[in-house]
Amino acid sequence: QKEVEQNSGPLSVPEGAIASLNCTYSDRGSQSFFWYRQYSGKSPELIMSIYSNGDKEDGRFTAQLNKASQYVSLLIRDSQPSDSATYLCAVNLNQAGTALIFGKGTTLSVSS
Amino acid sequence: DAGVIQSPRHEVTEMGQEVTLRCKPISGHNSLFWYRQTMMRGLELLIYFNNNVPIDDSGMPEDRFSAKMPNASFSTLKIQPSEPRDSAVYFCASRGQGRETQYFGPGTRLLVL
Repeated sequence: QKEVEQNSGPLSVPEGAIASLNCTYSDRGSQSFFWYRQYSGKSPELIMSIYSNGDKEDGRFTAQLNKASQYVSLLIRDSQPSDSATYLCAVNLNQAGTALIFGKGTTLSVSS
Repeated sequence: DAGVIQSPRHEVTEMGQEVTLRCKPISGHNSLFWYRQTMMRGLELLIYFNNNVPIDDSGMPEDRFSAKMPNASFSTLKIQPSEPRDSAVYFCASRGQGRETQYFGPGTRLLVL
């Protein structure tokens, strides 16, 4: 059973702070990792992907991957109220024809 | 470019009725996914297709659920008969060949009374 685990939250941070979202996965064969953001009542949208160990930065977002620990995280610097959403972690075995497995998501609330 | 299109956006029906959800993937994408999202269970994969062929339907809850993809631009998810526990948001997503990113449609919010 392939699983992706996230703390459901809510994670509350003040505006301007760093928000840290964490995810663990069970299948060591997982090769591709994604963070989706989902606003209330909307569909998930991709914000970051990461494929190799280390950090990947995109604007205020940094994804971190540690395959040995089967751990992936998302850091949001200078958090804004508009970042308030549910963040879904997803993994893919990166084999032809496979689908993403999603965690249940962490709800982030940024207060102004 | 048009994204993934789903219809209807909202559906309210009574227990026992047949429900058909529709999806048009992004043009040129060859993989299509149906997901169900609830508060309790999160986002669950129901079934996915590659090149119109069902690859994995292990997530389909039971025989009341069926999905088809008669061509590259259209897919349906049918529930017959529907039950109150089927109430959820149903998302369709598509992906281009050789690509990793899935693009989600706006979802269909289903309420079975």
